[in-house]
Amino acid sequence: DQQVKQNSPSLSVQEGRISILNCDYTNSMFDYFLWYKKYPAEGPTFLISISSIKDKNEDGRFTVFLNKSAKHLSLHIVPSQPGDSAVYFCAASAKSSGDKLTFGTGTRLAVRP
Amino acid sequence: DVKVTQSSRYLVKRTGEKVFLECVQDMDHENMFWYRQDPGLGLRLIYFSYDVKMKEKGDIPEGYSVSREKKERFSLILESASTNQTSMYLCASSLLPNYGYTFGSGTRLTVV
Repeated sequence: DQQVKQNSPSLSVQEGRISILNCDYTNSMFDYFLWYKKYPAEGPTFLISISSIKDKNEDGRFTVFLNKSAKHLSLHIVPSQPGDSAVYFCAASAKSSGDKLTFGTGTRLAVRP
Repeated sequence: DVKVTQSSRYLVKRTGEKVFLECVQDMDHENMFWYRQDPGLGLRLIYFSYDVKMKEKGDIPEGYSVSREKKERFSLILESASTNQTSMYLCASSLLPNYGYTFGSGTRLTVV
């Protein structure tokens, strides 16, 4: 049972445009959400996070939006750059389960020059 | 910067072998985790540990065990390797809950 879903396995965007990566979850106990970026042959690196008490968090070109009623979060990258090409994983945790992270299946982003 | 080091980048083992994957972190983190990454399945949690000598099963513990004798070292053990354990294995550590994980570079294990 996939509690965190990323329904788009891949996304291609022109350099300079906005990239929007989506993530849906089913567990209403999740109260903290994170995005990780992964390059080939490297471990995932933390990108940005959001607590369930917020609906938006911004860090430079990256913004995460959380819609709790829809159990949906999205990552916006503006403007997109070729170096952003990677696999992006969303992840969620719940205090009731000891804060371990449940990851989505990932979305491969390709930013075309 | 926190460093999480996995001892091998690539491993090839035979079916039935006992396999040890080692992970060491250098920042005194309490929490350590083992995930495997497979295409279309994302990262799935195998085992985790919140303290020395403590271990808890994740979502897919079957066929695996772990050892944490020292705070900085968390080992994943494949008791009898099988071809369906061919995967990318990722170790991670974290300081506090919800602080985000730091991952190692991964070990790509092939079981033939």
